[in-house]
Amino acid sequence: ILNVEQSPQSLHVQEGDSTNFTCSFPSSNFYALHWYRWETAKSPEALFVMTLNGDEKKKGRISATLNTKEGYSYLYIKGSQPEDSATYLCACDNYGQNFVFGPGTRLSVLP
Amino acid sequence: NAGVTQTPKFQVLKTGQSMTLQCAQDMNHNSMYWYRQDPGMGLRLIYYSASEGTTDKGEVPNGYNVSRLNKREFSLRLESAAPSQTSVYFCASSRPGQDSNQPQHFGDGTRLSIL
Repeated sequence: ILNVEQSPQSLHVQEGDSTNFTCSFPSSNFYALHWYRWETAKSPEALFVMTLNGDEKKKGRISATLNTKEGYSYLYIKGSQPEDSATYLCACDNYGQNFVFGPGTRLSVLP
Repeated sequence: NAGVTQTPKFQVLKTGQSMTLQCAQDMNHNSMYWYRQDPGMGLRLIYYSASEGTTDKGEVPNGYNVSRLNKREFSLRLESAAPSQTSVYFCASSRPGQDSNQPQHFGDGTRLSIL
């Protein structure tokens, strides 16, 4: 079983602040890394799929980077807004067979 | 497109009762998954089905059975419910493959309470 870790567990930021959090995963046998955004009472929504070392993806104010050699990915949010409040999950794709999810980082953006 | 549809959305059971959670997807995905979500533990994989006719155990399969009825449907059965199975259950589907790197698409979840 892969071990996927995320830090911090939770985070409170003020509206307008930029923030980032980390996903760590085993660097051996890497296939793909997925980021999801999960709002309370809803289902997780895919943000990014990343496969190549050095990959950088961006969607609006949210971006992510990937380092497969050292086994980590960062998710950045620029100018946080209250609607960014959610749990952000990363998942390591085990050769396209199944995903192992991290425990998530719960972000609260205070107005 | 409905995406991934789970039924029921809520259910309360007594210890020892059985029930089946239903999941259907209309995206022609090959792979389907059942997860449970518990506070502080993220999503844990119960069972998955990489293709029609196959099922495999995930991280926490004990106390559950699954059936991949056809390409669209993947059900999760609790034969004798226990309070430890109180959780929110999510079904997901994807079209994996070495060249696709597709994300998983999730249903809205089933909130299950075992008394």
